[in-house]
Amino acid sequence: DADVTQTPRNRITKTGKRIMLECSQTKGHDRMYWYRQDPGLGLRLIYYSFDVKDINKGEISDGYSVSRQAQAKFSLSLESAIPNQTALYFCATSLGGRTDTQYFGPGTRLTVL
Amino acid sequence: GQQVMQIPQYQHVQEGEDFTTYCNSSTTLSNIQWYKQRPGGHPVFLIQLVKSGEVKKQKRLTFQFGEAKKNSSLHITATQTTDVGTYFCAGKGGATNKLIFGTGTLLAVQP
Repeated sequence: DADVTQTPRNRITKTGKRIMLECSQTKGHDRMYWYRQDPGLGLRLIYYSFDVKDINKGEISDGYSVSRQAQAKFSLSLESAIPNQTALYFCATSLGGRTDTQYFGPGTRLTVL
Repeated sequence: GQQVMQIPQYQHVQEGEDFTTYCNSSTTLSNIQWYKQRPGGHPVFLIQLVKSGEVKKQKRLTFQFGEAKKNSSLHITATQTTDVGTYFCAGKGGATNKLIFGTGTLLAVQP
């Protein structure tokens, strides 16, 4: 959805560098998520936040950290990037409730050399 | 923890053939959602099923939720080249309040 934007869209970096991926949304949703996608592994949840003061680890949070700067902004950091963090990263938002449909951003393709 | 598996991981069909992907959860789900990701794109919500045994249709797509609410399927009748992409199921279940995505099925359609 154009309502969820991610920057950068592509990034190539070297092992050991600090990287920040940013996500912004205009949907007014409280819930935001960071996923990574790897072939054959589907979408795996890294971190999620149900409101500005709430941060939770997902299934693969090691090596990552997040910051929820505002309702509309949720950033993902790799403090010291390593090659196995090469992946496609998606930010998503949801309204919550029984359906909790996820609205995804366009993704960031990260390559760590 | 809760796991959601999909089979097959990859399917290649001739245009006009049918296609089915299956989703299996290790725990009972409160609901199941299906998403489609076109090549180079991002996942987009297709549908949600909530009731045990529920069946929903969207044109050539038929979605089913199992009686035990631990499995689901997506069937596409007479595939078209526009159906190419990766199909993900996702469900909430157990003690978690999070949506857990399946491993996805990549569908290729040969004209």
